[in-house]
Formats: sequence, C-alpha cells, structure tokens
Amino acid sequence: DTGVSQDPRHKITKRGQNVTFRCDPISEHNRLYWYRQTLGQGPEFLTYFQNEAQLEKSRLLSDRFSAERPKGSFSTLEIQRTEQGDSAMYLCASSWAGSYGYTFGSGTRLTVV
Amino acid sequence: AQKVTQAQTEISVVEKEDVTLDCVYETRDTTYYLFWYKQPPSGELVFLIRRNSFDEQNEISGRYSWNFQKSTSSFNFTITASQVVDSAVYFCALSGDGQNFVFGPGTRLSVLP
Repeated sequence: DTGVSQDPRHKITKRGQNVTFRCDPISEHNRLYWYRQTLGQGPEFLTYFQNEAQLEKSRLLSDRFSAERPKGSFSTLEIQRTEQGDSAMYLCASSWAGSYGYTFGSGTRLTVV
Repeated sequence: AQKVTQAQTEISVVEKEDVTLDCVYETRDTTYYLFWYKQPPSGELVFLIRRNSFDEQNEISGRYSWNFQKSTSSFNFTITASQVVDSAVYFCALSGDGQNFVFGPGTRLSVLP
C-alpha cells in the first residue's frame, strides 16, 4: 500500500456544475477525513468517517456538499452546483482508530470558473 | 474554541542557517495534541511530530527540534543547519480528540542556496 490516493489531482469546472472526488485510504485504516484548504490558509476540517459511518460534519459542509463511504473503504466527496468560492484544495486523510495523527493524500485541486 | 496562530507568514534564510517557526495555540481542553506538518510544493501534508499535553519534554530528531512550553501555550519548531529541501509550508495543528484538527495558517519557509 503506497498511501492515501486521491483522484483527480486537478479539476476545472464551470460554475453550477457538479463535481465528485474520490479518496482511497490506506487499506488498514478505518477512519477517513476530508479537509478543505484555500490558498494561503491551513486545512479546515469538513467531515470524517469511521468505517462507513459519517461521525462528524463541520458547519463548513453546506447542503451542496455530500460525502459517502459506502463500504468503509474508499470515499467520495460531491459538490453540487459549484460556486467560485468552492475553489480550493480538497485533502483526504486516513488513520487507525485510537491513533493520533493522519496520513494525508496529495489532494484534489478544484478550480471553479 | 480552539485556535492556532503562526505569526510568521513567510521566512527566508540562507542554507545552513538555523530557523525557528513559531506556533501559539489556544484551547480550553486539559488534554490535547499538537502536531507539525510539512507541505512541500507537491501538496501532500507530511507528518513531522505529535505531542500530547502531558509531555512537555523537548524533542530532537536529526536537524529538527521542538520546544513545547505549556506556560506560554507555544510549540515552536527549529530547523538546524537548514537545507534547500526544507523549503515548504509548515503547519502547526491542534486536536482535542485526535479526530479533527485545527490548523494554523502556515509559515512558508524558503531556504536559499
């Protein structure tokens, strides 16, 4: 296992379109996290899963955002009706429950034009 | 509420100089965890260190050292004899439960040859 994988690395979309990102965590990790990082800022927590259960969602996660982890393995993050303010790097991370510290993926950079 | 401040937005040093990156945090939790991550131009966040609130011992790992001072709510990071490969954005982060992190805004370090 080579780490946390995210796909695509870059996505350019027109305002109003829907986009979906995928994250494949480290296989033995049961926790998966999504963060958003805007230019010049630190990452901000969006949501996390333990196995397939979504345990916490940030207030940053508006109704246009939805995340799933249907089989407790990979996860998808969908943004509906994208807005220019959604332009950011979306980072995924995974960990083993009871550990303190994540392994991050390289992120998906979204540009909304 | 939890907050992490990294007052230095950008630092430039010449190779082989020592450099200290400052981190000040705020939390009401009695148990918490502090982290440093490195984000090179490729984008992934690389874990450097985790410290829990009960362990105030300073740590040294090669050219890296960390100074945790609970009395001043600071967790500073020093790179000794900096190298060009150290150029990156460095983030300090705080977690009360090890599940979601509050990141600082980051310090961009440029090490010039």
